[in-house]
Amino acid sequence: DAKTTQPTSMDCAEGRAANLPCNHSTISGNEYVYWYRQIHSQGPQYIIHGLKNNETNEMASLIITEDRKSSTLILPHATLRDTAVYYCIVRGNNAGNMLTFGGGTRLMVKP
Amino acid sequence: EPEVTQTPSHQVTQMGQEVILRCVPISNHLYFYWYRQILGQKVEFLVSFYNNEISEKSEIFDDQFSVERPDGSNFTLKIRSTKLEDSAMYFCASRGQGVVNSPLHFGNGTRLTVT
Repeated sequence: DAKTTQPTSMDCAEGRAANLPCNHSTISGNEYVYWYRQIHSQGPQYIIHGLKNNETNEMASLIITEDRKSSTLILPHATLRDTAVYYCIVRGNNAGNMLTFGGGTRLMVKP
Repeated sequence: EPEVTQTPSHQVTQMGQEVILRCVPISNHLYFYWYRQILGQKVEFLVSFYNNEISEKSEIFDDQFSVERPDGSNFTLKIRSTKLEDSAMYFCASRGQGVVNSPLHFGNGTRLTVT
């Protein structure tokens, strides 16, 4: 699976949009981009995933560049409860493929 | 919303003892995983399981570890003889079969403390 690069940490003001970038320049054609987050020591929580089109759900939006070498997770109105470590993971399309977690981005939402 | 449940939430054991960590995956999911996270470190893959057999395992998953799906609902991780360095959070995950890109869903983990 392709490697991803994320900033170590970011701050965001409560109520503002949080934009979390991820670089995955070696992504291949059949690999999806997944975003998870981990609040304190809880289990990783699935947020969203996509292949090449932008995606939106009730939690967030995922913007993938046309060349697919980078993506941005957008939390439109960050709250204090969104403070967490956010992981961007690239995974192939094989049925059993596991996820490989990196260090992620520690997002601190401040009042 | 269906979720993966893990028991116990916290397990304390003495070095050399056997432990079994239990997971109930989401109903109708067919792919199962165990991960662990040592305090302050990354979430690490241990093993994946499908169709009653291990499909992938990492270097961490040595002969001390085993997994089992003893019935139609439980998925267990056994550590045969625990070591101090096995102290970690252990997360179970499951994934549905319908779409190959379907996401993994994780439980909230079991904190294993080996003394």
